[in-house]
Amino acid sequence: NAGVTQTPKFQVLKTGQSMTLQCAQDMNHNSMYWYRQDPGMGLRLIYYSASEGTTDKGEVPNGYNVSRLNKREFSLRLESAAPSQTSVYFCASSELSGLEFFGPGTRLTVL
Amino acid sequence: GQQVMQIPQYQHVQEGEDFTTYCNSSTTLSNIQWYKQRPGGHPVFLIQLVKSGEVKKQKRLTFQFGEAKKNSSLHITATQTTDVGTYFCAGPTSGTYKYIFGTGTRLKVLA
Repeated sequence: NAGVTQTPKFQVLKTGQSMTLQCAQDMNHNSMYWYRQDPGMGLRLIYYSASEGTTDKGEVPNGYNVSRLNKREFSLRLESAAPSQTSVYFCASSELSGLEFFGPGTRLTVL
Repeated sequence: GQQVMQIPQYQHVQEGEDFTTYCNSSTTLSNIQWYKQRPGGHPVFLIQLVKSGEVKKQKRLTFQFGEAKKNSSLHITATQTTDVGTYFCAGPTSGTYKYIFGTGTRLKVLA
């Protein structure tokens, strides 16, 4: 039982490059989330998925797209990376009660 | 939009002293969650409070949910060096499971 896994752990991009952050959970949770955390700051919700095939914008969705193709996986895509997207990205999953389990994070630097 | 503020932003205490962080939401919350994040780590779920006026204890940690369900507090008795980290509260936006995080309180414990 791995919980929530994220790949890659670290990534450096150049401005304008694209990439997809992968997240998977093996707890059969319906809800999944993407948050970003800037240095010394709190967590801000990018996108939320209540179930397979559904997604909803969070506080800071601009510049991102997401895909929830199945119950287990929730990916986050940056189509054209910008330096302002330098951050640590956390994926999380939860049961309906709202309990949340976070992955280890992806540390992204955009030059 | 919904805002969740925490005070203080930072707290330095001597080992053995008590510590309290306060969380205030601009809107009424259906529940509130607390997380701890160690430096370089990911948020770890501590507890969820649901009922108005609810008080829960976990060893040296005491959590309270306000009567109006707009504020909450976390109190740590006799801090230890293992308590170091940032403590976040989080609450869902009305009618959803989209959790908005507070600004966090960074705790340092001096041995």
